[in-house]
Amino acid sequence: EVQLVESGGGLVQPGGSLKLSCAASGFTFSDSAIHWVRQASGKGLEWVGRIRSKAKSYATAYAASVKDRFILSRDDSKNTAYLEMNSLKTEDTAVYYCTRLDDVMLTSIDYWGQGTLVTVSS
Amino acid sequence: DIVMTQSPDSLAVSLGERATINCKSSQSLLYSSNNKYYLTWYQQKPGQPPKLLIYWASTRESGVPDRFSGSGSGTDFTLTISSLQAEDVAVYFCLQSYSTPLTFGGGTKVEIK
Repeated sequence: EVQLVESGGGLVQPGGSLKLSCAASGFTFSDSAIHWVRQASGKGLEWVGRIRSKAKSYATAYAASVKDRFILSRDDSKNTAYLEMNSLKTEDTAVYYCTRLDDVMLTSIDYWGQGTLVTVSS
Repeated sequence: DIVMTQSPDSLAVSLGERATINCKSSQSLLYSSNNKYYLTWYQQKPGQPPKLLIYWASTRESGVPDRFSGSGSGTDFTLTISSLQAEDVAVYFCLQSYSTPLTFGGGTKVEIK
């Protein structure tokens, strides 16, 4: 069974930092790109960024709204991906989903975690 | 960035009737190397993550009921629910994964009339 389990969310003050983890199982993690998607309460979906597989040189890409503040990384030996969030703003408040995209078949984002809530507030 | 314009914002359909949702991209989503359109449809119910319904514009994900179908080409795409069931009440999103940044449509809320 495929599982993506996010952790590390919580309440943080504006300007603070937080690091989310995404533990994966049930599929070949090393062949997958990991995309992060966020959703503010009652709003639509916003793509945050992605880190590709080793075969794709672990290439990263970010949304303009988080570029230079967020950093994506992964540890294939642990089947875990990370989203380091710095200089957080109130508008970063959202549920953050870890998702995967098969970097070999290049279909689409297929599996989603349950999400972790990040609240940026003083 | 590719802009995804989804319509309508909401839709009320009688049980057993057809529901149609549209998504228009600001540029072609056709990947020439494999002749696939990088357009995906998701269903999201309250308190749940999105669920994959259709990828490559028209390929139904395994396990998805065949009342869900995707069509379209170029920049215009459609999700059709041929016979709406009560469990189909949800918000539906389209996604382009042709290029980064990936971008979503604004969502369509489907309700029972």
